[in-house]
Amino acid sequence: KAGVTQTPRYLIKTRGQQVTLSCSPISGHRSVSWYQQTPGQGLQFLFEYFSETQRNKGNFPGRFSGRQFSNSRSEMNVSTLELGDSALYLCASRDSTATYNEQFFGPGTRLTVL
Amino acid sequence: GEDVEQSLFLSVREGDSSVINCTYTDSSSTYLYWYKQEPGAGLQLLTYIFSNMDMKQDQRLTVLLNKKDKHLSLRIADTQTGDSAIYFCAETNTGNQFYFGTGTSLTVIP
Repeated sequence: KAGVTQTPRYLIKTRGQQVTLSCSPISGHRSVSWYQQTPGQGLQFLFEYFSETQRNKGNFPGRFSGRQFSNSRSEMNVSTLELGDSALYLCASRDSTATYNEQFFGPGTRLTVL
Repeated sequence: GEDVEQSLFLSVREGDSSVINCTYTDSSSTYLYWYKQEPGAGLQLLTYIFSNMDMKQDQRLTVLLNKKDKHLSLRIADTQTGDSAIYFCAETNTGNQFYFGTGTSLTVIP
């Protein structure tokens, strides 16, 4: 099976702009989670989607939003970008029926806000 | 949310053992995980342990869990230069939301 893919891999935006990141999960996986990774902060959970519904949400402002399509592909959107939004955004998919809940991560999208 | 803490850096000599430590606060954890992240890549699951286990061994990797102290460790025997990476511990209770540590950057000195 193909792994989790994320597009684009790199993105440069300026403050105030908005951005949309895309994630295609492993075929058959219905759960998609998004994380923000910054140095010293580790991975911060953004949200999880399952069958097109947001099932969990982390502690991020409303500028961060997401959605999931019927084919399980997911997008996340960040509006009114701030310098502090510069980070690696990771998407992970999992088969929620698996015993130990293994998440499979994509390579990430590196967002730089200038 | 739950807290998961790790030291940021660890440096070892090639051939020595590495021990990466992690503490967490969630007393309802069901699964705990160790992930490895190499430069430019996403996270890769190395191993996991169910919360009712004390130890799990998988080739060069040994995971120890002290549930009373909420302490998890990963020991890598005979550490190689290819083991240089960032290692994350993570835990979940419901299986729907995962909490990750800050990551420990392991440097292996030849």
